[in-house]
Amino acid sequence: QKEVEQNSGPLSVPEGAIASLNCTYSDRGSQSFFWYRQYSGKSPELIMSIYSNGDKEDGRFTAQLNKASQYVSLLIRDSQPSDSATYLCAVGRSGNTPLVFGKGTRLSVIA
Amino acid sequence: DAGVIQSPRHEVTEMGQEVTLRCKPISGHDYLFWYRQTMMRGLELLIYFNNNVPIDDSGMPEDRFSAKMPNASFSTLKIQPSEPRDSAVYFCAIATGSTDTQYFGPGTRLTVL
Repeated sequence: QKEVEQNSGPLSVPEGAIASLNCTYSDRGSQSFFWYRQYSGKSPELIMSIYSNGDKEDGRFTAQLNKASQYVSLLIRDSQPSDSATYLCAVGRSGNTPLVFGKGTRLSVIA
Repeated sequence: DAGVIQSPRHEVTEMGQEVTLRCKPISGHDYLFWYRQTMMRGLELLIYFNNNVPIDDSGMPEDRFSAKMPNASFSTLKIQPSEPRDSAVYFCAIATGSTDTQYFGPGTRLTVL
């Protein structure tokens, strides 16, 4: 059974700090990796995708992938109170097979 | 909520009643997914379609659940009869064939009393 594991949190960080969110997955055949942000009462919103080992940066967000360790992370620099949300890690194989989602990590950025 | 309309946004019903949830993709897509989200189980895939054809319904909990996609612009998820344990947020998501990125609709919050 394909699994995606995340620490449920809450992860609390002060405003301006770096928030580090982690995710591990069980399916070694996984090829695509996503981070979604979900505000309370809202739908998941895509913030990052990554397909190759290494780092991918987009503004304040950096996704990191290590396929050998089956590990994905998301770093949020200069965290803002508006970043407070649940972050979902999603993993998939190629060809639009369904994504498997973790249960999410709740992030709280304290002003 | 890019490109997907879901209705109703909230539904409260009594146990035993039939519930129909609707999804209308308004942008181009090849794939449509139905998910259910609860605190205990997180986001679970129920069923997905490719070009309106059901591909995998192994996530549908039991025979009380059914889904259809009569055309590219409309899909329904029906629960008959509904039970309190069906209470959850139901999301519809779409994707195109060129990428496996999925975009979610706003969801329907279902409460079965």
